[in-house]
Amino acid sequence: EIVLTQSPGTLSLSPGERATLSCRASQSVSSDYLAWYQQKPGQAPKLLIYGASSRATGIPDRFIGSGSGTDFSLTISRLEPEDFAMYYCHQYGRSPPFSFGQGTKLEIK
Amino acid sequence: EVQLVESGGGLVQPGGSLRLSCVASGFTFSEFAMSWVRQAPGKGLEWVAAVHGGGSSAGYADAVKGRFTVSRDNSKNMLYLQVNSLRAEDTAVYYCAKDSWPRNGVFDAFDIWGQGTMVTVSS
Repeated sequence: EIVLTQSPGTLSLSPGERATLSCRASQSVSSDYLAWYQQKPGQAPKLLIYGASSRATGIPDRFIGSGSGTDFSLTISRLEPEDFAMYYCHQYGRSPPFSFGQGTKLEIK
Repeated sequence: EVQLVESGGGLVQPGGSLRLSCVASGFTFSEFAMSWVRQAPGKGLEWVAAVHGGGSSAGYADAVKGRFTVSRDNSKNMLYLQVNSLRAEDTAVYYCAKDSWPRNGVFDAFDIWGQGTMVTVSS
């Protein structure tokens, strides 16, 4: 099983600032099968990015996914008030089991 | 509207069993792999199990292998998770989730999630 490690655990920023979240895999993620989700309290997760860098339908272009192999990042170029939430990376593909990172909490400074 | 609705959660004693259900609507259910993901109170997401669209191939997390069984009835647009030999650490909200693309042989990212059903394991 691939272990995903997200950093930092908590990120404190102000609206308008740039956020960079990291997800590191214990082994290479094939075909960049790496997704990012946003989760707000009491809600189900929401898909933001799939295939490491493709935005899901309706996701604003301030959300940017990048990386390959074992190192991936989610950048939010200019934070909006609604962006403060938990973020998870997720590894998927042909061969289960799959995994999620432990999450990064993006909080208002 | 594409929608997933889970049911079947509840309070169960350690060692007990439940069958969780997820009814799908708004898409061609048989074309998409489906998964179960859980989230313990105040904790992160944990991938549990997945099954391909035809139902013949499935995968499980090590923590549930041998205790949980994922299945589907494509004639009823239903996904199931039979959970046996429950432990306190299985206490969580269980979400069903739909793959974003109907790709053969690949389990994909999840574009649609249900609202979840709570399973509490306690004596």
